[in-house]
Amino acid sequence: GENVEQHPSTLSVQEGDSAVIKCTYSDSASNYFPWYKQELGKRPQLIIDIRSNVGEKKDQRIAVTLNKTAKHFSLHITETQPEDSAVYFCAGNSGAGSYQLTFGKGTKLSVIP
Amino acid sequence: KAGVTQTPRYLIKTRGQQVTLSCSPISGHRSVSWYQQTPGQGLQFLFEYFSETQRNKGNFPGRFSGRQFSNSRSEMNVSTLELGDSALYLCASSLGEGTDGYTFGSGTRLTVV
Repeated sequence: GENVEQHPSTLSVQEGDSAVIKCTYSDSASNYFPWYKQELGKRPQLIIDIRSNVGEKKDQRIAVTLNKTAKHFSLHITETQPEDSAVYFCAGNSGAGSYQLTFGKGTKLSVIP
Repeated sequence: KAGVTQTPRYLIKTRGQQVTLSCSPISGHRSVSWYQQTPGQGLQFLFEYFSETQRNKGNFPGRFSGRQFSNSRSEMNVSTLELGDSALYLCASSLGEGTDGYTFGSGTRLTVV
């Protein structure tokens, strides 16, 4: 089955700097890669996703890139703000069209004012 | 539009007991997935239901079971509770057609004593 590894496990950045979180996946048939943000005590919320027919996707300060050959994808947050502090999870579906998501272990991002 | 509703929010049970958790998906969503979230293991997939049928199952023992009703509401049951079952149980709903993002509920925090 799919295996998703996420790095780093913790990340501290100064407010205004950029943050990058990287994930690798094992199943070359996976074709859907969402990212979730989970604030303390709250539910995970989808912030951006990418499908395998696209190499990059942006939404304001957030972008995701996908390298299918290397089987890795990354989340980029620019101009970080204190409210970006949260745990971020990457995920991949278990094979093309699968509805089962395999999650990375999460990255705790701290934005220091 | 109402979100994904999980009840109860908190539960305390004794080892050996059984428990039933409920999840009402977003109106129109036909897929419900269940995940167990723990600090050590992150988000682990339990099972996914679509139109009252289990489509995918994760690597959990048979003590964990679920079902989905004709109105798409889902329940999961854990029998013979163990201390290690203490976790946040999240359900997520989606349209279930093709790859689309989940919307998570706020979860049920289960504590086994």
